[in-house]
Amino acid sequence: SQKIEQNSEALNIQEGKTATLTCNYTNYSPAYLQWYRQDPGRGPVFLLLIRENEKEKRKERLKVTFDTTLKQSLFHITASQPADSATYLCALDSDYKLSFGAGTTVTVRA
Amino acid sequence: NAGVTQTPKFQVLKTGQSMTLQCAQDMNHNSMYWYRQDPGMGLRLIYYSASEGTTDKGEVPNGYNVSRLNKREFSLRLESAAPSQTSVYFCASSSGRDQPQHFGDGTRLSIL
Repeated sequence: SQKIEQNSEALNIQEGKTATLTCNYTNYSPAYLQWYRQDPGRGPVFLLLIRENEKEKRKERLKVTFDTTLKQSLFHITASQPADSATYLCALDSDYKLSFGAGTTVTVRA
Repeated sequence: NAGVTQTPKFQVLKTGQSMTLQCAQDMNHNSMYWYRQDPGMGLRLIYYSASEGTTDKGEVPNGYNVSRLNKREFSLRLESAAPSQTSVYFCASSSGRDQPQHFGDGTRLSIL
């Protein structure tokens, strides 16, 4: 069956450190993968999209990698700040629709 | 610049009651989507509309119906609400298949 797995545990890190989130998938062949941020009580907000022929994508302090052989995406937040505290969702292209992981909650301590 | 607007924000229903959740977008997007989000689970697609005039089932369509009223509006109807439909419902829109989705802030629905 198809499965998308994100870090099972919440991530607690010190301000200034790098947070690394994983997204592993099974029985998908996504043409692209997206990452979203969700704050409590709000809808998800798009952050980055990476296509299957791209190894890495960057946006400001964010970096995403996509390894179709390992069936894995890594999401990095460098120089983390308390304002980066949120839940981060990965989403895979699945037959013209998006399938979402359950998310990883990140807390950045000042 | 409202983006995606969902109404109502909160609702409590009794089992068996019906309800329509409203969604409107002002970005001239072709595609619109309805998801539900339950604790510990990812967003699950209920229905989507790839373009005005078309609707298709997603992963969890049972117990729901949708209407793409025009390009801006996409509504979700619960004909006979059940406690299992207690959830947070999100509407989203996008300009195309591989484009970012823009989400509303959700409708929190409790069914007693």
